[in-house]
Amino acid sequence: NAGVIQTPRHKVTGKGQEATLWCEPISGHSAVFWYRQTIVQGLEFLTYFRNQAPIDDSGMPKERFSAQMPNQSHSTLKIQSTQPQDSAVYLCASSSQGALYFGAGTRLSVL
Amino acid sequence: QQKVQQSPESLTVSEGAMASLNCTFSDGTSNNFRWYRQHSAKGLEVLVSIFSDGEKEEGRFTAHLNRANLHVSLHIREPQPSDSAVYLCAVSTITGNTGKLIFGLGTTLQVQP
Repeated sequence: NAGVIQTPRHKVTGKGQEATLWCEPISGHSAVFWYRQTIVQGLEFLTYFRNQAPIDDSGMPKERFSAQMPNQSHSTLKIQSTQPQDSAVYLCASSSQGALYFGAGTRLSVL
Repeated sequence: QQKVQQSPESLTVSEGAMASLNCTFSDGTSNNFRWYRQHSAKGLEVLVSIFSDGEKEEGRFTAHLNRANLHVSLHIREPQPSDSAVYLCAVSTITGNTGKLIFGLGTTLQVQP
């Protein structure tokens, strides 16, 4: 069991560019969560899927951010027209019986 | 909207002394409480989960939950320098078998040799 796999580990983009972050959940886990972590805000919930269906995206910024889960084995978080304030560590987690198992995260730096 | 607050922001203890961390939450219907640890530049590691009032022990880590007081704590017995990390409290209300966890900002623990 390799755990939750996130790629890339680090991504640097220029302001206005698009960034796509990938997550491979633990096999057999039915739910996938996305969080964003910054020093100021801590860990903020963004969105989650259960059995590939979007359940709650109340934490997603209304513009520029989107998430998908096209199959059981991966989810993507896409940020269009990245801004410096999007710089953060983006964490993906998959869930079994309510416990979240986190990946190592993708550190996004927007220059 | 669930609010989770942790105290203290930072804590320094000597190796072997008990470390106690606190967490308060705002939603009295919460039923899922977890403590995570995050070492610098590493992922989150779940330490202990608790779902009902009382105490839950996992090795050197013990969680105490008092839902009436909207309070959950973590006690670390005989902390080691390797326990130096950020400790995060997470709270959710489970429906079905999943529920989004809301995190506190964390307590930074430093264990001195």
